[in-house]
Amino acid sequence: DIQMTQAPSSLSASVGDRVTITCRASQPISTYLNWYQQKPGKAPNLLIYAASSLQSGVPSRFSGSGSETDFTLTISSLQPDDFATYYCQQSYNSRTFGQGTKLEI
Amino acid sequence: QVQLVQSGAEVKKPGASVKVSCKASGYSFTSHDINWVRQATGQGLEWMGWMNPTIGNTGYAQKFRGRVTMTRDTSISTAYMELSRLTSDDTAVYYCTRVGGSSWPSAEYLQHWGQGSLVTVSS
Repeated sequence: DIQMTQAPSSLSASVGDRVTITCRASQPISTYLNWYQQKPGKAPNLLIYAASSLQSGVPSRFSGSGSETDFTLTISSLQPDDFATYYCQQSYNSRTFGQGTKLEI
Repeated sequence: QVQLVQSGAEVKKPGASVKVSCKASGYSFTSHDINWVRQATGQGLEWMGWMNPTIGNTGYAQKFRGRVTMTRDTSISTAYMELSRLTSDDTAVYYCTRVGGSSWPSAEYLQHWGQGSLVTVSS
């Protein structure tokens, strides 16, 4: 199975900060990598697909990059609505989620 | 619009089975794969498996093979996930989720989600 490792597990930041979350795959996965945002009590919401494509309706302050084993999710200027937990997910071989990154104020 | 409506909360005893339903609307049920993801309280997302509603073929995460069964009833646009031999570790919210489309890259991401079904395993 492909393992996905996110870093950090939690992150404290302030409104207006630039934030980067990393996701590492245990083997190359090309760009079969998606990012989701989840708020407490809600289902996850797709942010980025195919490593760097912004899902329709998602603010442009979110961006993704990377390929093969190393990926990043960047929020260019944190807004109050962005404080949530973020997950990466590979679909190269079955599907696996990273353990999540909790973004706190 | 696409909607996935799941069955309600369940309380089960250890060793029992649970069957969660997921009724789809707003699109052609057989056109896109359904996946199941679970989340224990305070924990991360765990992918369980997928099902193609057209022919019913499935793929399960190694952890759940032998214990999970994903089925569907196309006449009522409903997918099911049954998990057997429950233990307290299976206490979680179970989500059904639909891929975005039928080809790359939309077939790879999980775009539409049900509201979640809480399954509690307790003696």
